[in-house]
Amino acid sequence: AQSVSQHNHHVILSEAASLELGCNYSYGGTVNLFWYVQYPGQHLQLLLKYFSGDPLVKGIKGFEAEFIKSKFSFNLRKPSVQWSDTAEYFCAVNALGSGYALNFGKGTSLLVTP
Amino acid sequence: DTGVSQDPRHKITKRGQNVTFRCDPISEHNRLYWYRQTLGQGPEFLTYFQNEAQLEKSRLLSDRFSAERPKGSFSTLEIQRTEQGDSAMYLCASSLTSGESYNEQFFGPGTRLTVL
Repeated sequence: AQSVSQHNHHVILSEAASLELGCNYSYGGTVNLFWYVQYPGQHLQLLLKYFSGDPLVKGIKGFEAEFIKSKFSFNLRKPSVQWSDTAEYFCAVNALGSGYALNFGKGTSLLVTP
Repeated sequence: DTGVSQDPRHKITKRGQNVTFRCDPISEHNRLYWYRQTLGQGPEFLTYFQNEAQLEKSRLLSDRFSAERPKGSFSTLEIQRTEQGDSAMYLCASSLTSGESYNEQFFGPGTRLTVL
């Protein structure tokens, strides 16, 4: 079955630490890839997306993600996290040719401590 | 506010009752999606519309669930004979079908349903 896996369910970092959140998917064909963020009490917001082209994509608030096709991965990175990055992070995949539904991972809860 | 809006934000109901939720998408978006999110999980796709046509339904959408988008603008999601397992956050999203933001889904705040 098609799936999206996020390896870390809970991450705790100190401010200024570097962040990498893993995301792997199991679709064999062409995919659109997304990272969404949900800050406490707010709705899901798009951080960044990959459709095609340069596999290193930059998003809002200093986040970036790298698409590695051979590894079926789309990991999220940020060189230096801030307390305001405390949130739930979701990786999502749309398999082209299989409709427009997003398939989400279970999410990673990030807590950044001062 | 030009984002996706959902109403109500919270709904508490007793088992066996019917509930209906409304979603108003971003005005120029012609695709509208419904998802369900339970605690500790990511959103799970239920169904989507392109204009007024319902084009895809998930196996999660049992026959107690029905969604409509009669004029291609707002949508309603009705759950009949609610069960405790229906307790979840119901999310609506919308997107364009062309342009730079093609296939980028914008989410609303959700309706939290609690079935007692």
